Amino acid sequence: QVQLQQSGPGLVKPSQTLSLTCAISGDSISSNRAAWNWIRQSPSRGLEWLGRTYYRSQWYYDYAVFVKSRVTLNPDTSKNQFSLQLTSVTPEDTAVYYCVRECTLVGGVPGYLQHWGQGTLVTVSS
Amino acid sequence: DIVMTQSPDSLAVSLGERATINCKSSQSVLHSSNNENFLAWFQQKPGQPPKLLIYWASTRESGVPDRFSGSGSGTDFTLTISSLQAEDVAVYYCQQYYTTPFTFGPGTKVDIK
Repeated sequence: QVQLQQSGPGLVKPSQTLSLTCAISGDSISSNRAAWNWIRQSPSRGLEWLGRTYYRSQWYYDYAVFVKSRVTLNPDTSKNQFSLQLTSVTPEDTAVYYCVRECTLVGGVPGYLQHWGQGTLVTVSS
Repeated sequence: DIVMTQSPDSLAVSLGERATINCKSSQSVLHSSNNENFLAWFQQKPGQPPKLLIYWASTRESGVPDRFSGSGSGTDFTLTISSLQAEDVAVYYCQQYYTTPFTFGPGTKVDIK
């Protein structure tokens, strides 16, 4: 039974960096049948995919264009977790953030989003 | 990016009656590699993350009641709840995973009439 446990601050000041971590149980972050995603949700913008990372003999990264200059996903194999860093945040980045396990096809071909973390409401405000 | 649209925005159905939600993608999500539609449906209740109901357009996730069914191919898809139960009150989203960026529909709110 895969479980994803999110952690991180719920309040970030404008221009600072948003950092969240997702701890994985019941699977390995290096699994060749999974990818690890971050998705956020806000009333104004709906559900927005931010990026994914997966391991196929090396680590691959795929980011949404609209945040590509500000976002980094970091896998940590020693702790079986991955993190999201979003720099230079503004109030527009206020949202509930989810980490999600994707069940991929062979070679990292995209698959369905099967397991979701509990969500973290992050508010950007001074 | 593939744009996902849904209709209606909301609907109210009597208990035990059928609810139908439509989803359209701006381009086909039928993949030649496995002849599958890279389309999923999610249910979201207040304060909870989205829950996967259907993937490959018509495959029910383990544990999902069989009153939920998905159909369609290419660009047009449907989620049907054959006999609405009180616990089905939620917002339903379609999502394409044919290519990144993964994109979601705006959601359809289902209520009891």
